[in-house]
Amino acid sequence: SQKIEQNSEALNIQEGKTATLTCNYTNYSPAYLQWYRQDPGRGPVFLLLIRENEKEKRKERLKVTFDTTLKQSLFHITASQPADSATYLCADNNNDMRFGAGTRLTVKP
Amino acid sequence: EAQVTQNPRYLITVTGKKLTVTCSQNMNHEYMSWYRQDPGLGLRQIYYSMNVEVTDKGDVPEGYKVSRKEKRNFPLILESPSPNQTSLYFCASSLSPPIGTITDTQYFGPGTRLTVL
Repeated sequence: SQKIEQNSEALNIQEGKTATLTCNYTNYSPAYLQWYRQDPGRGPVFLLLIRENEKEKRKERLKVTFDTTLKQSLFHITASQPADSATYLCADNNNDMRFGAGTRLTVKP
Repeated sequence: EAQVTQNPRYLITVTGKKLTVTCSQNMNHEYMSWYRQDPGLGLRQIYYSMNVEVTDKGDVPEGYKVSRKEKRNFPLILESPSPNQTSLYFCASSLSPPIGTITDTQYFGPGTRLTVL
């Protein structure tokens, strides 16, 4: 069956380090992947989108990569700050929006 | 301000008592959808609507109904709620449906936390 998965439920890192979150998809090829941020008790907020023919996308301290060979997208936050602590979701567009379960990132001072 | 609104934000009810969660967007978006979010399962789509009078089932439609009589509104109806429908619900909208190479992002409402006793 077609799946989009974020295998790490939680990630803890020290302030200033780079956080790397992983999103894997199986048995299909999405035309693009999106990354969202969700704070506790609030709706997801869109961050970045990357198309299948793009290797990398950047926005300020955020970087997303899309590897169609590995069937994987990586989401990086450089120079992480405690304010980056949140749950990050990846999503695809395979006829309807499907979301991974999310990775809860905690950045410690 | 462009936004998606949901009401109520919090609701505690009892098994079998019909309820409606309203969703409204002011961005003239064609596509609207409902999700439920449960710990460890992430966001799962309940129903979606491509446009007025066009609705379709998502991944977990059982026990839910929707309607799209106007472009801006997309209410979620639970005719006979059960405890397994206790969840956090999100409404979302986008300019166009997320199909093929269309890349319109989704805007989410603030969520409705529903508890069914």
